[in-house]
Amino acid sequence: SQQGEEDPQALSIQEGENATMNCSYKTSINNLQWYRQNSGRGLVHLILIRSNEREKHSGRLRVTLDTSKKSSSLLITASRAADTASYFCATAGPRSGGDAGNKLTFGGGTRVLVKP
Amino acid sequence: EADIYQTPRYLVIGTGKKITLECSQTMGHDKMYWYQQDPGMELHLIHYSYGVNSTEKGDLSSESTVSRIRTEHFPLTLESARPSHTSQYLCASSSLGYGYTFGSGTRLTVV
Repeated sequence: SQQGEEDPQALSIQEGENATMNCSYKTSINNLQWYRQNSGRGLVHLILIRSNEREKHSGRLRVTLDTSKKSSSLLITASRAADTASYFCATAGPRSGGDAGNKLTFGGGTRVLVKP
Repeated sequence: EADIYQTPRYLVIGTGKKITLECSQTMGHDKMYWYQQDPGMELHLIHYSYGVNSTEKGDLSSESTVSRIRTEHFPLTLESARPSHTSQYLCASSSLGYGYTFGSGTRLTVV
């Protein structure tokens, strides 16, 4: 069963707009990560946020984590056509110990279409 | 520029054939993983390894097997391919403190 579930499943926006997608998970985590996947390709790691962090930024990306609600959000500001992709959240459970080397459980992804 | 390489990129094969999907990484990562992904769907972990001579089955039951004889190499083998094995197979590696690095995937079609 899925640990992470993204919402919405699909998102269509105009270039320049912001895109927000959410991820909910079920069990305690060590960290949560976001990945991007262009059609038919492998995934690219975007950002990692640990369970004791609440917000993290990387360029045009902003990630928040609310462990009390078991949820995270990814915001892409000033979107570009090149941001068109599927975005996945993935969680690493605490029982394996350590950091991002834990095996990850992925959600179903949000498909984002940025129209020029 | 990928530091983790998967071959072949695409493979169409007949039912009953034995196949090996190759995965190699040049980063010296001790942890490696195989995920299976149907188009537009979530990824499912089928195998992982935390080091040489260490392999474990993942959360999704798979008829495939893996080996880890060298740090950089983590091949996946299907002894007898079936149409139900048609999917995309993604290999990844990681090191403590960082996210995964994924290969470009192998899209397998069994006819």
